Amino acid sequence: QQQVKQSPQSLIVQKGGISIINCAYENTAFDYFPWYQQFPGKGPALLIAIRPDVSEKKEGRFTISFNKSAKQFSLHIMDSQPGDSATYFCAASPQGRFGAGTRLTVKP
Amino acid sequence: GAVVSQHPSRVICKSGTSVKIECRSLDFQATTMFWYRQFPKKSLMLMATSNEGSKATYEQGVEKDKFLINHASLTLSTLTVTSAHPEDSSFYICSARAGTGAQPQHFGDGTRLSIL
Repeated sequence: QQQVKQSPQSLIVQKGGISIINCAYENTAFDYFPWYQQFPGKGPALLIAIRPDVSEKKEGRFTISFNKSAKQFSLHIMDSQPGDSATYFCAASPQGRFGAGTRLTVKP
Repeated sequence: GAVVSQHPSRVICKSGTSVKIECRSLDFQATTMFWYRQFPKKSLMLMATSNEGSKATYEQGVEKDKFLINHASLTLSTLTVTSAHPEDSSFYICSARAGTGAQPQHFGDGTRLSIL
């Protein structure tokens, strides 16, 4: 089922550092690429999203870079904070496919 | 805005019982709703997609007679796990989306189902 490949599986970053998570997709019919943040026992919450006609989108400390020709996109979290420690999922729509998830730990 | 309410948050029941989970979009009309299953420390596995007024589209390997999905209105979808068994124990999460594909999905907080 997994049509979106996500890496790394886990990531440990020092406070203030940059966290980078990568995703790749296969289906060119995907037209919307969101990133979600999930805390234990909760549903995912939308963090930031991009459409394929844009190569980069920035919202605060979060940036998505999108490479349509390579069918890859990535999430960059600048100035990572301990409160950012969570599991991050990339996804692709309209089919609602999720990547495997990345467990981010930001050490103080 | 864009709040999705999922109920109940946790249910524990005996094997053989049928369990209904509700998913409501509180402040928007959900053209499409999705149902996912999530195992501990794993990704969200899409079970089915439903459009209001239409039959749900199930993913390969998901038993439609086991997991009944109804999307009768633009604000409510239900998932009924029929004759639940211990292997059905899991975290079930719904999401709702307004409009067509290039829109965000808004998630409920999930239902922890435990079958004894």
